[in-house]
Amino acid sequence: EAGVAQSPRYKIIEKRQSVAFWCNPISGHATLYWYQQILGQGPKLLIQFQNNGVVDDSQLPKDRFSAERLKGVDSTLKIQPAKLEDSAVYLCASSRDQGTEAFFGQGTRLTVV
Amino acid sequence: AQSVSQHNHHVILSEAASLELGCNYSYGGTVNLFWYVQYPGQHLQLLLKYFSGDPLVKGIKGFEAEFIKSKFSFNLRKPSVQWSDTAEYFCAVRGNNRLAFGKGNQVVVIP
Repeated sequence: EAGVAQSPRYKIIEKRQSVAFWCNPISGHATLYWYQQILGQGPKLLIQFQNNGVVDDSQLPKDRFSAERLKGVDSTLKIQPAKLEDSAVYLCASSRDQGTEAFFGQGTRLTVV
Repeated sequence: AQSVSQHNHHVILSEAASLELGCNYSYGGTVNLFWYVQYPGQHLQLLLKYFSGDPLVKGIKGFEAEFIKSKFSFNLRKPSVQWSDTAEYFCAVRGNNRLAFGKGNQVVVIP
């Protein structure tokens, strides 16, 4: 079974630029999560989808972050414009449904300079 | 919303020593509990999970964890660690369908 795929693995951008991350969850998984992991901290949930609907985006900085999962499969997370404090690893995870274990991708390491 | 606390962020121990990592959470409702591990250069992987039943759960690689509901705790243990257990360990709690993580424990095992 293929795991959660994320791209790119690494990204370096200047502040005020925009960036997008892509995630393809495990086939058949209805729940998709985006987490932000800043160095030295645990993953922080940004947004959670159930199929193509948003379940929880209470910690998503909506003035600059957006995410979509239009067909209920893959998802994109966008930051526009980026700030220095957005430097982090962005993790995508999926689970069969909201009550089961989550499987994580390798993450995208973003550096904003 | 629930919160998850992990203490002693950095742990250094010798091979064959015992390991115990604490995890406490704040949430009054029904929870699912997890420990994830992240080996150097790899992605987060599930070590073990508790959904219901026996509060003492066994996971991969000789790890176990005990859910103590009255203490809102889910501590991770391993009787004898190996150098390959060097990794970062995260406790996670699902409550009301939100999966929240602690800050993690960086564990270094010295050969």
